[in-house]
Amino acid sequence: SQTIHQWPATLVQPVGSPLSLECTVEGTSNPNLYWYRQAAGRGLQLLFYSVGIGQISSEVPQNLSASRPQDRQFILSSKKLLLSDSGFYLCAWSVKGDQPQHFGDGTRLSIL
Amino acid sequence: QKEVEQNSGPLSVPEGAIASLNCTYSDRVSQSFFWYRQYSGKSPELIMSIYSNGDKEDGRFTAQLNKASQYVSLLIRDSQPSDSATYLCAVNPGGAGSYQLTFGKGTKLSVIP
Repeated sequence: SQTIHQWPATLVQPVGSPLSLECTVEGTSNPNLYWYRQAAGRGLQLLFYSVGIGQISSEVPQNLSASRPQDRQFILSSKKLLLSDSGFYLCAWSVKGDQPQHFGDGTRLSIL
Repeated sequence: QKEVEQNSGPLSVPEGAIASLNCTYSDRVSQSFFWYRQYSGKSPELIMSIYSNGDKEDGRFTAQLNKASQYVSLLIRDSQPSDSATYLCAVNPGGAGSYQLTFGKGTKLSVIP
């Protein structure tokens, strides 16, 4: 069966510091991968998605970036965090086609 | 712009009652529809998928889809306090090249013991 791992679970970072969140999927090949952010009391905002290694599509221009160095690895990064980057970051995967997405446990990021 | 609308709630139902959650979508060509449950502080969990008009039942959950009216609903029978959560409706616009889901903002359900 497929599993998705996302870490860390919680993170507290100062403003201006860098960020690296990692997500890996097991049990499937060539999945679609997604990064979402969910601000407190708000809906899911799609940040990036990837249909293959090195292929990244950005949905929201901001100071975040994403990379997919391996088939089942998706990384969310920032060089300098802003207060507005606080939120619940979720990685998700899906197979190709009209299939649902499956979420990792998420990372709760607080910026001080 | 593709939109998915849900009543934010909270929707309060007594234990044992039927909870009815509704969702409308704007993109007429949407093909696949999903319901997720999200407990407070946790990630969304897929509970139902539906692709064709009509009803689909899975245990205490029934998803209903009406493409002509552009709505999808979720019924929870014999509601339990453990069903208290936010329920997210998600819509795929359709086609094998469509990789994205559009999520509603969710309906918060509270089941009162």
